[in-house]
Amino acid sequence: GEDVEQSLFLSVREGDSSVINCTYTDSSSTYLYWYKQEPGAGLQLLTYIFSNMDMKQDQRLTVLLNKKDKHLSLRIADTQTGDSAIYFCAEREGSGGYNKLIFGAGTRLAVHP
Amino acid sequence: EPEVTQTPSHQVTQMGQEVILRCVPISNHLYFYWYRQILGQKVEFLVSFYNNEISEKSEIFDDQFSVERPDGSNFTLKIRSTKLEDSAMYFCASSETDKPTGELFFGEGSRLTVL
Repeated sequence: GEDVEQSLFLSVREGDSSVINCTYTDSSSTYLYWYKQEPGAGLQLLTYIFSNMDMKQDQRLTVLLNKKDKHLSLRIADTQTGDSAIYFCAEREGSGGYNKLIFGAGTRLAVHP
Repeated sequence: EPEVTQTPSHQVTQMGQEVILRCVPISNHLYFYWYRQILGQKVEFLVSFYNNEISEKSEIFDDQFSVERPDGSNFTLKIRSTKLEDSAMYFCASSETDKPTGELFFGEGSRLTVL
């Protein structure tokens, strides 16, 4: 079945760039997503990328997609303490509707001074 | 800003007891979902609900689980006879559309602890 894997923990210094990586297995995935969860809050959509793109930039966020290797990354430029959160990678299951997303376990980003 | 709200935030129950987790989706949304995350594991899809019926469910969503939209505003997840392995954070979500570019809005989660 479909699977999404991500490393569980990343620690960066404030002001540096963070890169969170994710691999997925479903080659028919058309949309891939990054969600953010701050302490005590629900998952919030950060950005998504369509599979015919290899890069998407949105202010400090850059998403890179390597469809051949089924690898997705999220780069946060000039990381701030407010970026400390858990970041979830997700793929939309195949051609299925109804927003059945396959999530990874989440990467906890810790930003230190 | 509209948000999805869930109650309770934390529930502790004995194995075998029934539990109902409640959610109030965003008012103009038509699609509703439950996901769960067992501690340290992945967020897993449980069920989607549209037009007052289940549209898709996962293997996890067996006969012990049911969902209901009893009054047009609440969306509930019932677990009839809880097991230890049901201990998890349960997330409710809603969306305006089922298009892939449509955003899922998640609640803060209800933590269920089964003893």
